[in-house]
Amino acid sequence: DGGITQSPKYLFRKEGQNVTLSCEQNLNHDAMYWYRQDPGQGLRLIYYSQIVNDFQKGDIAEGYSVSREKKESFPLTVTSAQKNPTAFYLCASSRNLAGSNEQFFGPGTRLTVL
Amino acid sequence: GENVEQHPSTLSVQEGDSAVIKCTYSDSASNYFPWYKQELGKRPQLIIDIRSNVGEKKDQRIAVTLNKTAKHFSLHITETQPEDSAVYFCAASNPDSNYQLIWGAGTKLIIKP
Repeated sequence: DGGITQSPKYLFRKEGQNVTLSCEQNLNHDAMYWYRQDPGQGLRLIYYSQIVNDFQKGDIAEGYSVSREKKESFPLTVTSAQKNPTAFYLCASSRNLAGSNEQFFGPGTRLTVL
Repeated sequence: GENVEQHPSTLSVQEGDSAVIKCTYSDSASNYFPWYKQELGKRPQLIIDIRSNVGEKKDQRIAVTLNKTAKHFSLHITETQPEDSAVYFCAASNPDSNYQLIWGAGTKLIIKP
């Protein structure tokens, strides 16, 4: 399951704190994605990036921010503006949007707000 | 934009029986349809996919069928085994949505011994 990694595996945050989730891939993929998954629910897109230095909001971007300074890295910051951040966060990447659409997922980060 | 509906939300089958999960999509331009399996606490992983120029694809005990006219596609699992228990997600992708995957809500498959 190499290729795309996320850290940390578990993260605890106090209310009012910003936290940053790491996502790194060595698959040479152009596109990267962040999803949020709540218990028993599906995948909701937070942000995605098709190319370095460019990213777009997904369906639930409010309270989150991202950067894409390097092709390999797409960190997600959960800000204090996100009122209910406790969830399982999944990062994914794909080769390029017009070619293979298969998305490869990282192992996820489980964020809990104390 | 594209919308993907998935049914049923939960499916319970006897071990050895077949399971069928169905998805419908709304955008006729969609041309790629993957199925992912997510075990409890793990990452989703691709198990099979199909493109719009093909009607059916098989890989051992799993198969996917696509009906472009009706805009639906289905996952078929035969001879189910305990390790098939998981949540299965369908998705659709098309050029109009920058090839993003639009996801179904998921089906929890329970294999009864």
